[in-house]
Amino acid sequence: DVKVTQSSRYLVKRTGEKVFLECVQDMDHENMFWYRQDPGLGLRLIYFSYDVKMKEKGDIPEGYSVSREKKERFSLILESASTNQTSMYLCASSFRVNEQFFGPGTRLTVL
Amino acid sequence: ILNVEQSPQSLHVQEGDSTNFTCSFPSSNFYALHWYRWETAKSPEALFVMTLNGDEKKKGRISATLNTKEGYSYLYIKGSQPEDSATYLCACINSNSGYALNFGKGTSLLVTP
Repeated sequence: DVKVTQSSRYLVKRTGEKVFLECVQDMDHENMFWYRQDPGLGLRLIYFSYDVKMKEKGDIPEGYSVSREKKERFSLILESASTNQTSMYLCASSFRVNEQFFGPGTRLTVL
Repeated sequence: ILNVEQSPQSLHVQEGDSTNFTCSFPSSNFYALHWYRWETAKSPEALFVMTLNGDEKKKGRISATLNTKEGYSYLYIKGSQPEDSATYLCACINSNSGYALNFGKGTSLLVTP
């Protein structure tokens, strides 16, 4: 059974904190993605990665960075969390242009 | 950013009704079109991946068609059931976006008994 896991389902952080969101997939997929989902705005791509140590900016990369040191793990980093980064964060992985498999999501609240 | 539009934004039907949604996308440099179903408190799950003009795919009571020349796809649900209630997302890839999906905002379907 294929699986994408995310480190936390719910997270509460304070403004200015550094936040790490972790994503792990067990399908040996090259591609991994980070999205955020906000009411009325749909799923928006933050960053994606084609391979280890590779990263590409998505539509809304400002305020975020990523790390892909191992093929199965893709981390999203909020260098200095702000209240406008309160959102649902979804990680996904895929093989080439095939279907993406999503993790359960992390609901982040920044106070 | 590719402009992917879905309509309607939301839909409320009675159990047993058939329904359909529309996804429109830029036809230039088209590569693939995905449909996902997203139930509340769950993760999005893929329904279909389509690449060829004229593609038709079916999974149970749900089917989809693709017109890459005019840039649209239809999703059909035959005989809607309450368990079909979900948000249905379409997303497209073009040859300039690599493997990144550009999602529409989704159609929220509510099926009542």
